[in-house]
Amino acid sequence: AQKVTQAQTEISVVEKEDVTLDCVYETRDTTYYLFWYKQPPSGELVFLIRRNSFDEQNEISGRYSWNFQKSTSSFNFTITASQVVDSAVYFCALSGGPKTGGFQKVTFGIGTKLQVIP
Amino acid sequence: GAVVSQHPSWVICKSGTSVKIECRSLDFQATTMFWYRQFPKQSLMLMATSNEGSKATYEQGVEKDKFLINHASLTLSTLTVTSAHPEDSSFYICSARYPGAPDTQYFGPGTRLTVL
Repeated sequence: AQKVTQAQTEISVVEKEDVTLDCVYETRDTTYYLFWYKQPPSGELVFLIRRNSFDEQNEISGRYSWNFQKSTSSFNFTITASQVVDSAVYFCALSGGPKTGGFQKVTFGIGTKLQVIP
Repeated sequence: GAVVSQHPSWVICKSGTSVKIECRSLDFQATTMFWYRQFPKQSLMLMATSNEGSKATYEQGVEKDKFLINHASLTLSTLTVTSAHPEDSSFYICSARYPGAPDTQYFGPGTRLTVL
């Protein structure tokens, strides 16, 4: 079975602070994908990043960065210099391989609600 | 690219009526779409996988006669909640596999269903 754990249910930071959202996953597959999605108050899920299990390079996109560590089964997401517009619920997700239903089956974490205070 | 729309964005209906929700891929063809349900302050739960031209695959515990899914074209999947009851009130979100990145799902804006 695959599982995604986001231990932080809610985080509040003051604008311009850096914040890291944690994500720990479990899977029996050796090939899998990890994702982060943003869900603003409007409800729409916005795709942020996809990372396959063979690529452990960290990625930076503007103020966003992701740290993938297979050794600890973690895929953490950092927002640098947070802004009010970053306030949303952020979901970490895992798409497994053949052992866990194939790549189509995506398991979501419970989400971390981020509030950025002006 | 990879835009998915849903209609309606919200709907209120009386108990016992049926409600149809549409999911469309606007700028790409999607052979596979997915339907999720999200309760307040909870994560997304996959309900079913919708494949164009064939029957949907439902997750365990999801009543296929209650939640009818039809994927009649490469750009449209519909979810019909039959004989809706208040406990069916939820946020329903669809997603579609994007051909350019087949392992990534792009999501629609969601439909909020309230059953009175």
